[in-house]
Amino acid sequence: NAGVMQNPRHLVRRRGQEARLRCSPMKGHSHVYWYRQLPEEGLKFMVYLQKENIIDESGMPKERFSAEFPKEGPSILRIQQVVRGDSAAYFCASSQTRDSNEQYFGPGTRLTVT
Amino acid sequence: SQKIEQNSEALNIQEGKTATLTCNYTNYSPAYLQWYRQDPGRGPVFLLLIRENEKEKRKERLKVTFDTTLKQSLFHITASQPADSATYLCALPNNQAGTALIFGKGTTLSVSS
Repeated sequence: NAGVMQNPRHLVRRRGQEARLRCSPMKGHSHVYWYRQLPEEGLKFMVYLQKENIIDESGMPKERFSAEFPKEGPSILRIQQVVRGDSAAYFCASSQTRDSNEQYFGPGTRLTVT
Repeated sequence: SQKIEQNSEALNIQEGKTATLTCNYTNYSPAYLQWYRQDPGRGPVFLLLIRENEKEKRKERLKVTFDTTLKQSLFHITASQPADSATYLCALPNNQAGTALIFGKGTTLSVSS
C-alpha cells in the first residue's frame, strides 16, 4: 500500500519560471493538504482540497500560487514566476476523511530558485 | 489567531532516560492535538492524537497528556534510544473545527548512547 507520493523530489527553477509540484494521495484518501516549510521555520498550511474542490485556501499567497485536485490524476501546486523567496520544502499530506484528523505526509519537494 | 510554542529548540538526553517535550498554545482550546516526528530531509510522520476530553494517551514508549486549563500538552518518550533522535512537532487544527493543521517549530531531540 503505497504512501503519499510527491514528485519531483528536487526541483530547480530560475527566477520567473513556473514550478509544478505533484502529489498523489494514499490509496483511498480523497483529502489533500499542501504545506510549505521554509528554512529555520515550521510547517505552514497552504491549502486543503478535495476532489475538484478547494475547501480552504487561507494559507495560500494571494498571487502566483494555485492548486488543484482534479477528478483524475494527482493534486498539483503551481507557482508562477518564481522568486528566490519561494525556495522551500513543499509537503503534501492526505487523509481518508475530513474528520479522520490523522494526516499522512509525502517526502516533500525541495524547490530551489536560482 | 492560534499560536503554538514548543518549549525548546533542542533537547539532549542520555539513552535510557525519559524525554519530556512541551507544547503550549495561546488561544482557543482545540478539539484535538497531534504529535509528529520529522527526520532530516523527510516528511512528518504521525505519532499520536489526543482529543480535548482525553487526559492521557499512550502508544508503546510514547505518552501524551493534554491539559486544556494550562493550554499545554506534554510528550514523553520513556527509555529513550538513539533512534529516537529527531525533531518532534506539535500540531493543532487551524480553527476549532478545522482539519488543516498549525505546526509548532519543533523540538530537536538528541539521544546519546
